[in-house]
Amino acid sequence: EAQVTQNPRYLITVTGKKLTVTCSQNMNHEYMSWYRQDPGLGLRQIYYSMNVEVTDKGDVPEGYKVSRKEKRNFPLILESPSPNQTSLYFCASRRGSTDTQYFGPGTRLTVL
Amino acid sequence: GQNIDQPTEMTATEGAIVQINCTYQTSGFNGLFWYQQHAGEAPTFLSYNVLDGLEEKGRFSSFLSRSKGYSYLLLKELQMKDSASYLCAANYGGSQGNLIFGKGTKLSVKP
Repeated sequence: EAQVTQNPRYLITVTGKKLTVTCSQNMNHEYMSWYRQDPGLGLRQIYYSMNVEVTDKGDVPEGYKVSRKEKRNFPLILESPSPNQTSLYFCASRRGSTDTQYFGPGTRLTVL
Repeated sequence: GQNIDQPTEMTATEGAIVQINCTYQTSGFNGLFWYQQHAGEAPTFLSYNVLDGLEEKGRFSSFLSRSKGYSYLLLKELQMKDSASYLCAANYGGSQGNLIFGKGTKLSVKP
């Protein structure tokens, strides 16, 4: 089954404790993105990747890192999480720049 | 940056028709997506318009006017399960294929 998976689905952590949210897709898609979704602000892109070893900042990259060592995986790293990073995070992938984007199930992160 | 505008909330009655509008900036525009998102779930694809005109897909149709920077999603024969947020997203293309999302329209369908 074609899908985008994220782990963990839910995470409660404390300020400053490094964490990684994994994302994997099995559709051989070139493009992958990370979004955060907050009430009243909609979906905002954090980082995106057009291919292996090619990543770039989206609209809200501060406090986040990503890597794309393999085509299928695109982990999101928070080196020192802060409470303002409490949000619902979605990973997404698509084949090309104008193709349909498929979203993972979301990761609800709470930083205390 | 590009601004995508859509109404924040709408309410409609079961069995009725509702139109959700979306406006966007036309410079660099490639196409427009509509997604449906139920509370706490991931967005799911509904439609993608590149050319002007109306595209129909069952109870859902999507319209695009490139010159006016305007799109709408039309939902017919509304059902309770259509209560969700509807997101429009404009594709600004180029090699990066930058996809800008509106803040979403929360649709409540009442009996």
